Parts: sequence; structure tokens; C-alpha cells
Amino acid sequence: SYELSQPPSVSVSPGQTASITCSGEKLGDKYVCWYQQKPGQSPVMVIHEDTKRPSGIPERFSGSNSGNTATLIISGTQAMDEADYYCQAWDSSTDNYVFGTGTKVTVL
Amino acid sequence: QVQLVQSGAEVKKPGASVKVSCKASGYTFSDYYIHWVRQAPGQGLEWMGRINPNNGGTHSAQKFRGRVTMTRDTSISTVYMEVNRLISDDTAVYYCATVDLDDTSGRAGFDYWGQGTLVAVSS
Repeated sequence: SYELSQPPSVSVSPGQTASITCSGEKLGDKYVCWYQQKPGQSPVMVIHEDTKRPSGIPERFSGSNSGNTATLIISGTQAMDEADYYCQAWDSSTDNYVFGTGTKVTVL
Repeated sequence: QVQLVQSGAEVKKPGASVKVSCKASGYTFSDYYIHWVRQAPGQGLEWMGRINPNNGGTHSAQKFRGRVTMTRDTSISTVYMEVNRLISDDTAVYYCATVDLDDTSGRAGFDYWGQGTLVAVSS
């Protein structure tokens, strides 16, 4: 089955840039979405279709996807961005949706 | 505004069944698939399956086939997910979430989520 891997944790200082990777075989051939989840809350989509931000998501969130790696970038990270982040893709061969292992972002 | 309101927390014994509901509002019920995603305590997100609100067609992850049933009642814009033969590893928060029915490439993702339903399985 298709798998997506993420680093367990990323630390960033306020105002700096956080980069979260998501790795999977030929991931660049698929569309990737990213979700933010704060403790006790439902996930919120922050990026869809690799690079697009849903309405209401701050411009400091951006995404890219090429080769075997997709990346979520948080520019000018704020304390409110501290959360778990999950990548997600659709595997057309099985019609299954797959989530990455998740990355905890800590703003120090 | 789009809302997905799920039923309340459940406590079940091993071997029992649980049925979780997800009531949609604020959009045309037939325009979005409803998917189910679960999250065990301290763990990541796990996709379970989806239902087409128009014809009731379902597709689920291999590990849940035969044990998970998804149904819908279009008259009240509500989707149900039943998990049978519960085991302790089924203890999790279960979420429903929408995906655009027109999305045939995986580009759209899960744009709206319910508040989650905690299902605890314990003897």
C-alpha cells in the first residue's frame, strides 16, 4: 500500500521559516493536501492541490511538490502555528486516501 | 455555512458494534462525498472509507472491509458509519469529512470536518 513519511517533529523560532517534508514514491505525480490540527480540535486544510490555500488561510502557508517530496512552508511562523501537520494524497491505483505520519511543529 | 455535526461519545465493550452519525447542513448534500477518518489516542490520521450520497455507493480501506458499514439517509442529510466486532484498537476519535464529488484526481482534499466522535472500547 502507498505510504507517506514525515519527520516526527520540527522546531522553529518565532518569525522564522518552518519547513515540513512529506515523502512518498513518485509523490510529485499526485496532488498533495496539508492539514493543521491543534490539540483537541478537528483538522483544518491549509493547502490543497499542492500549492493552493483555501479561503481564510494566511499567506504565510505555502506548498510545493516535486519528485518524491512535498513540502509545506510556514513563513514568519507565529506561536499560533504550533500544531500537528499532516500531508495527504490520493492513490489512484487503489482509490484510497493516504495520510502522512504527521509532524509536530513547536514554536520555541 | 457548511456544518458536519456528529453524534456523541460512545463507550462499548469488545465485540459490540457502534454506529456514528454525521449530519450535514449548509450545502447541497449530493455535492460532496462523505469520508470517515479516525485517530487513535496520540496517533495520526487514518482514512477509513467514503460514501457517495447520491447512490449510497461505498469504498473503504482494505483493513475495514467486512467490519465497517457506511449508509446514508438523504431525507435528513445524514451519513452513518457502523463498526462491528469492536476491539480495543478501535478506540479512537472518528471524524466525518467532505470531498467534492467532482474531484476525480485527489486535488481537492477534505475541506470540511465534523467535530469528531470519541469511541472508547473497554471491558
